[in-house]
Amino acid sequence: SQTIHQWPATLVQPVGSPLSLECTVEGTSNPNLYWYRQAAGRGLQLLFYSVGIGQISSEVPQNLSASRPQDRQFILSSKKLLLSDSGFYLCAWSQKRSQGNTEAFFGQGTRLTVV
Amino acid sequence: DQQVKQNSPSLSVQEGRISILNCDYTNSMFDYFLWYKKYPAEGPTFLISISSIKDKNEDGRFTVFLNKSAKHLSLHIVPSQPGDSAVYFCAASAKNYGGATNKLIFGTGTLLAVQP
Repeated sequence: SQTIHQWPATLVQPVGSPLSLECTVEGTSNPNLYWYRQAAGRGLQLLFYSVGIGQISSEVPQNLSASRPQDRQFILSSKKLLLSDSGFYLCAWSQKRSQGNTEAFFGQGTRLTVV
Repeated sequence: DQQVKQNSPSLSVQEGRISILNCDYTNSMFDYFLWYKKYPAEGPTFLISISSIKDKNEDGRFTVFLNKSAKHLSLHIVPSQPGDSAVYFCAASAKNYGGATNKLIFGTGTLLAVQP
């Protein structure tokens, strides 16, 4: 069966510090990978998605970047965190299908607080 | 531009009664719709989905209805149980985002409270 791991679960970082959140998927190959953010009182906003190694698409302009160095590894980074980067970050994966769409499966999330 | 809208931030229902959660969308290219359930400090878990070629999909206590002309979908939970208390998100995706991409656009969520 497929599993998705995301860490750390919680993180408190000072403004201006770097960020690295990691996500790995097991039990599948060539997945689509996603980073979402849930800000306080808001819905889930898609930040980045990737259809393959080294292929990253950004959905919103922001202070963050993403990378996919391996097929089942997705990393969210920042060189200098802002207070507005605080939120609940979620990694997700979905299978590719030649026709139609499918559900995405989420990790447990990372609560990031920038102080 | 919020393409998927959940206009009710919260809903309170008595145990055993029906819970109806609503969702509206604006993008006519959406053709696949999903509902997720989320507990605090956890990732969302997939509940049920529906393709635009159908108007109803049922899975146990959960039924999703799709009204394409109104660009509206709803999730019915019957009977509601206290363990159903959570935030429910609807989501949508469109074919023209690319067959391999499958981006999900989420609403803002509805907090369901089922009272014992």
